Amino acid sequence: GQNIDQPTEMTATEGAIVQINCTYQTSGFNGLFWYQQHAGEAPTFLSYNVLDGLEEKGRFSSFLSRSKGYSYLLLKELQMKDSASYLCAVRHDYKLSFGAGTTVTVRA
Amino acid sequence: EAGVTQSPTHLIKTRGQQATLRCSPISGHTSVYWYQQALGLGLQFLLWYDEGEERNRGNFPPRFSGRQFPNYSSELNVNALELEDSALYLCASSLGVSRLTEAFFGQGTRLTVV
Repeated sequence: GQNIDQPTEMTATEGAIVQINCTYQTSGFNGLFWYQQHAGEAPTFLSYNVLDGLEEKGRFSSFLSRSKGYSYLLLKELQMKDSASYLCAVRHDYKLSFGAGTTVTVRA
Repeated sequence: EAGVTQSPTHLIKTRGQQATLRCSPISGHTSVYWYQQALGLGLQFLLWYDEGEERNRGNFPPRFSGRQFPNYSSELNVNALELEDSALYLCASSLGVSRLTEAFFGQGTRLTVV
């Protein structure tokens, strides 16, 4: 089985930084994904980590520590359009399992 | 390049009927995944196909089934529909299992069972 946990909700101010944590307990870990999902839309791929460390892509960065079963997604210079649900997903065995998602609300 | 396409966009069925949902992966992708997302809930893994074979399935009853065709497109079939099957059904595709570094989603099929 698998257990993927992330906070339910986070609120931040436009221009600020928000860090969304994800912890996981899975068998056969083979990589961790982050997706963004706006209400009523399909998830959009943001990042993929398979080795420990930080991956940076513009305003978004993702970090992985395999020994701790831990990842975070860092959103910098928040914009109103970043208000969405952020999904952590773990590839393990022949599955890609998702956490329940973190709803981020950006306020002016 | 076309992304993952799903059809139909919306589907309304009555309880007890069967539904067939279709997914065309990105060109060159051989893996297709199906997920169910009920309103306000997370993505629940349904099925994973790669190279025409079912690699894994989630904790869903047997009335949820599917297949992958030689051109890597896929169908999800739901038999004996129940009201709680109403959800957004999402398909994603990627390169083969051993090369899974990105997985892209289609826009989904919204199934409503009345």
